Amino acid sequence: AQKITQTQPGMFVQEKEAVTLDCTYDTSDPSYGLFWYKQPSSGEMIFLIYQGSYDQQNATEGRYSLNFQKARKSANLVISASQLGDSAMYFCAMREGPDSGAGSYQLTFGKGTKLSVIP
Amino acid sequence: DSGVTQTPKHLITATGQRVTLRCSPRSGDLSVYWYQQSLDQGLQFLIQYYNGEERAKGNILERFSAQQFPDLHSELNLSSLELGDSALYFCASSVRGFSNQPQHFGDGTRLSIL
Repeated sequence: AQKITQTQPGMFVQEKEAVTLDCTYDTSDPSYGLFWYKQPSSGEMIFLIYQGSYDQQNATEGRYSLNFQKARKSANLVISASQLGDSAMYFCAMREGPDSGAGSYQLTFGKGTKLSVIP
Repeated sequence: DSGVTQTPKHLITATGQRVTLRCSPRSGDLSVYWYQQSLDQGLQFLIQYYNGEERAKGNILERFSAQQFPDLHSELNLSSLELGDSALYFCASSVRGFSNQPQHFGDGTRLSIL
């Protein structure tokens, strides 16, 4: 079974509108973390936002917020006021287990959602 | 700029050859991770080093090997290259002991096998 599922291969959004990118995850570990990364066409991976499994509040970073629904195992990324520069691939990733202290937390990535912002 | 440096940015070689990809982590980061991004497999974790020691292994082929040196830079060696090894190879680094801190990725090395 896939550990990270991103069901939207591609999404379109009008400039200045908000958009939600879906991510569901599968883990039996009570301690885990969820990350969103952005990959523009130039190829680099840019960290956007993090949500820990024990965090009480949804994470926010500027125009990015994470709609974390633990019982449903979903961690959707919300981008407000979309800009043309937001056009990119977006990846949801999960780290399972607590940090062992040696930084040993490999990430499992979803297949990504390609977001296109329309002027 | 993530602070993670990968060289070279592009590499073109032939089947059967061997290449070395280099990564310098962010200053202060002891952990280095290698990932492979291909069209059919997506982003996959290959291997992790922490302070010179191998810590975790993922879907890394036996033809591939890696090491982390005392100055913390890391190298990924790919040998007996096949067409299917064509991919974007990322190095990432992270801070020890802070699981809420993200892995910071380099810009990747794009490997093309002809």
